[in-house]
Amino acid sequence: ELKVEQNPLFLSMQEGKNYTIYCNYSTTSDRLYWYRQDPGKSLESLFVLLSNGAVKQEGRLMASLDTKARLSTLHITAAVHDLSATYFCAEGDSNYQLIWGAGTKLIIKP
Amino acid sequence: DTAVSQTPKYLVTQMGNDKSIKCEQNLGHDTMYWYKQDSKKFLKIMFSYNNKELIINETVPNRFSPKSPDKAHLNLHINSLELGDSAVYFCASSLQTGELFFGEGSRLTVL
Repeated sequence: ELKVEQNPLFLSMQEGKNYTIYCNYSTTSDRLYWYRQDPGKSLESLFVLLSNGAVKQEGRLMASLDTKARLSTLHITAAVHDLSATYFCAEGDSNYQLIWGAGTKLIIKP
Repeated sequence: DTAVSQTPKYLVTQMGNDKSIKCEQNLGHDTMYWYKQDSKKFLKIMFSYNNKELIINETVPNRFSPKSPDKAHLNLHINSLELGDSAVYFCASSLQTGELFFGEGSRLTVL
């Protein structure tokens, strides 16, 4: 069964700290996506990782992909309150369909 | 200009009623989707259309019927609504890379 597991599912942290969200997936896919969802809002695409070793950064967020380990990480540097949201990773299967993780709810306290 | 727009944003209705949600995208994408997000935020794909042709039809009750009049539109009609249909329904379209662009969601509440 195709599976995407995110860890942790819930994270509460202080502003200014660093942390990493992990996304393990079950196939040999080399396509991994990260999305952000604010409460009551839509999903916004953050990163598209299309090859082994891909690393992308936007502001305080950095995403990477290791296809051999079937692992993607989303690293948050010096967190700020505005980054509070639910973060989803999704793996692209051979038909370009996405298999979704359960989401990581991130709360950043001032 | 909104890239993927869906209407209505909110729907409150009684069990047994029929309702429709409309979706339009102006991104020129060939593929469109309907997703259901439950109260625990799990995302489940329901349907996918590529250039008006159905390519994914997940295990969804046949009370749900998608219709794509052209590649920019994908509507969802739901017959005989049940309590368990209460959720947020997202329309999305995608690039060749598989990256999805979502609409704002339609929150359906069945009483």
